[in-house]
Amino acid sequence: KAGVTQTPRYLIKTRGQQVTLSCSPISGHRSVSWYQQTPGQGLQFLFEYFSETQRNKGNFPGRFSGRQFSNSRSEMNVSTLELGDSALYLCASSSRQGAEDYGYTFGSGTRLTVV
Amino acid sequence: DAKTTQPPSMDCAEGRAANLPCNHSTISGNEYVYWYRQIHSQGPQYIIHGLKNNETNEMASLIITEDRKSSTLILPHATLRDTAVYYCIVSLSLFGGYQKVTFGTGTKLQVIP
Repeated sequence: KAGVTQTPRYLIKTRGQQVTLSCSPISGHRSVSWYQQTPGQGLQFLFEYFSETQRNKGNFPGRFSGRQFSNSRSEMNVSTLELGDSALYLCASSSRQGAEDYGYTFGSGTRLTVV
Repeated sequence: DAKTTQPPSMDCAEGRAANLPCNHSTISGNEYVYWYRQIHSQGPQYIIHGLKNNETNEMASLIITEDRKSSTLILPHATLRDTAVYYCIVSLSLFGGYQKVTFGTGTKLQVIP
């Protein structure tokens, strides 16, 4: 079956702009989590959505937001971009169905560069 | 969240077994140990997970100590394609609650020809 799809793969934005990233989970997976990865900080948890509701949130400013649609696709938005927001943004999906729950399946990420 | 401690880097000769340790002394009774790896510029890939018993799959083996305070991921015959950053994570099973899943900085494994 198709994996986790993130679009776009690469993005260049200017400071002060906003950006929206998209994630399509594996078919049947209802949980989507977002992570930010930078060389200095490693993988940092942003938030998790399940059934269109945010279930958990990491320690990021309010400029970082997300949502999940009824088909489980998710978007994350970053407003008023700063240079420090340059990172690889990863999305992970999970079934959260117990017996077949083998953890997360990650997408290939969106590489965001803020100039 | 239970915290994990891993060595920052390790080398392994190609064809030999790679043994990657992880300490998780504060793990609670219902938390699992998960291992992922991340090859450069790709998303992390699930490898294996376990609760109490040792586990083996086509990729690796997971050895968990009896007191569950540490574990070892074993890649039985390392190849150059196993060069990656390996993350050890402890977490409730994803079915068990909405605990934040926190990745540490992992171990950078370099497989040497």
